[in-house]
Amino acid sequence: EIVMTQSPATLSVSPGERATLSCRASQSVGSNLAWYQQKPGQAPRLLIYDTSTRATGIPARFSGSGSGTEFTLTINSLQSEDFAVYYCQQYNNWPTFGQGTKVEIK
Amino acid sequence: QVQVVESGGGVVQPGGSLRLSCAASGFTFSHYGFHWVRQAPGKGLEWVAFIRYDGINKYYADSLKGRFTISRDDSKNTLYLQMNSLRAEDTAVYYCAKGSWYGPFDSWGQGTEATVSS
Repeated sequence: EIVMTQSPATLSVSPGERATLSCRASQSVGSNLAWYQQKPGQAPRLLIYDTSTRATGIPARFSGSGSGTEFTLTINSLQSEDFAVYYCQQYNNWPTFGQGTKVEIK
Repeated sequence: QVQVVESGGGVVQPGGSLRLSCAASGFTFSHYGFHWVRQAPGKGLEWVAFIRYDGINKYYADSLKGRFTISRDDSKNTLYLQMNSLRAEDTAVYYCAKGSWYGPFDSWGQGTEATVSS
């Protein structure tokens, strides 16, 4: 099983600032990496797939980068609706998720 | 538009069974694979099972140890998850998600809650 480790567990950011979330895989997953956003009481929503491709309707302030074992989700100019939990997920092998990073208002 | 709606959750005693359903619309159901993903209270996401578009290939998380079965009925545009020998640790919100085996989960339902408790 490929273990996905996200950091930090919680990120405190002020509205308008940039948030940088990290995700590390225990072995290479190539570019087969997705990011999801989940708000309280809601289902996860696909944000980014194939490391850096935004899903339909996702604003350009969300961007993904990385390859192999190290990945980053960057959210520029955080909006109020962006405060949520973010999960990375690899689909290079049996799917596994990171434990999540909570982005909270500073 | 693409929509997937889960149902069938509820409260069941340890050792009991539940069958979850996921009704899909807005796309050609038979062309796509589907996953079940669960989320225990206050916890992260855990992949449970996958069924390929043709129903031939099915994969399960090792932790389930043969207790769960994924299936589909293309005539009803519906995905199922039969859960047997339920344990307290199976208590979770169960989501169905559209996606291929080597691809992201691009559409999720709102989830259905299964509680295993005596």
